[in-house]
Amino acid sequence: KNQVEQSPQSLIILEGKNCTLQCNYTVSPFSNLRWYKQDTGRGPVSLTIMTFSENTKSNGRYTATLDADTKQSSLHITASQLSDSASYICVVRPEYGNKLVFGAGTILRVKS
Amino acid sequence: DGGITQSPKYLFRKEGQNVTLSCEQNLNHDAMYWYRQDPGQGLRLIYYSQIVNDFQKGDIAEGYSVSREKKESFPLTVTSAQKNPTAFYLCASSMFASGRLHEQFFGPGTRLTVL
Repeated sequence: KNQVEQSPQSLIILEGKNCTLQCNYTVSPFSNLRWYKQDTGRGPVSLTIMTFSENTKSNGRYTATLDADTKQSSLHITASQLSDSASYICVVRPEYGNKLVFGAGTILRVKS
Repeated sequence: DGGITQSPKYLFRKEGQNVTLSCEQNLNHDAMYWYRQDPGQGLRLIYYSQIVNDFQKGDIAEGYSVSREKKESFPLTVTSAQKNPTAFYLCASSMFASGRLHEQFFGPGTRLTVL
């Protein structure tokens, strides 16, 4: 069964600190892996997308990595800001079929 | 949120009532989707439509119905048959090209509460 597991479930960090969120998946083969940011009460917004051949992708202070051999991805946030407080969702698109597989998300809270 | 709008933002329903959630997009996307989001769970697909006048059930279609009469509109009706409808509902849309559905863009969501 295609699954995406994210850890931790929630995380609290101080403003200015770095953090790393984890995503493990069983989807195989897969077409791409995407990280979304979802503010409370809003729809998800794409941060990064990586195909199976890519190892890293950056978007400002967000850097995603992918290890297709171990089926793991991480999202690293540098110099966190209060506005980074949100849920971060890992989503994998299988190679076959058009249904995405969503992780449950990691809730990040950045406090001053 | 791009060019996808959902209304209303908050919706309250009494048990036994049907309610319809609106989703409109001006991105000229071929495909549209409805997801349900519950705390601690990943988004679950309710229905999706790749072209006008055609739609397919997702993983949790029971108790829901949709229509796709226009390319830009994909309303979702939550019927009284849906036993636990309280949730956050997200609509999304994407291009459909080369036989594949492309990046999905999400609307702002509708929070439905059953009283």
